[in-house]
Amino acid sequence: SAVISQKPSRDICQRGTSLTIQCQVDSQVTMMFWYRQQPGQSLTLIATANQGSEATYESGFVIDKFPISRPNLTFSTLTVSNMSPEDSSIYLCSVVDRGYYEQYFGPGTRLTVT
Amino acid sequence: EDKVVQSPLSLVVHEGDTVTLNCSYEVTNFRSLLWYKQEKKAPTFLFMLTSSGIEKKSGRLSSILDKKELFSILNITATQTGDSAVYLCAVKSSSASKIIFGSGTRLSIRP
Repeated sequence: SAVISQKPSRDICQRGTSLTIQCQVDSQVTMMFWYRQQPGQSLTLIATANQGSEATYESGFVIDKFPISRPNLTFSTLTVSNMSPEDSSIYLCSVVDRGYYEQYFGPGTRLTVT
Repeated sequence: EDKVVQSPLSLVVHEGDTVTLNCSYEVTNFRSLLWYKQEKKAPTFLFMLTSSGIEKKSGRLSSILDKKELFSILNITATQTGDSAVYLCAVKSSSASKIIFGSGTRLSIRP
């Protein structure tokens, strides 16, 4: 299975600032996703990161708030913009291996907004 | 609307007990069902099921899928305190690239 790393692993940020989270995979993968998990909740898909084109956002998530980049098949970033305390969550990068249906998750980024 | 429902929401048992976690689903064009274990941040992949009646097994964990009745179970035998976690069930459809997660079952194992 793919090995996924995320940076930072955690951060405490002030309201109104932005944070960019990086996701690096050790092999080329077909699909990359970004999820959010708010305290006590299950995982919610934010968007699919498309290589070389704009991300596909789920209902309730917009590009201005969560801009995503995916310059190649092994790397993606998620920015949480103009943060508020409601953005305090774990943010998870996830990938699907090329040709397989199994989906794996990175170690996550725990974000606290004060 | 596609959905995944897990039960129970939480479960507390004693070490050594056997537990069964349930996952039912409604999804258009079912492709696969996945089980994950989440202890701190990242869900860890356990099983992927695509065919009915074929048990997947890994140590003390096993899982099976019933595509007719639209559910899956995850069994853990001889539970240990290290099995304490949230267990997530997710379903992927062939018409969408994303997977849909259930709310999870929080399992606590008492020594």
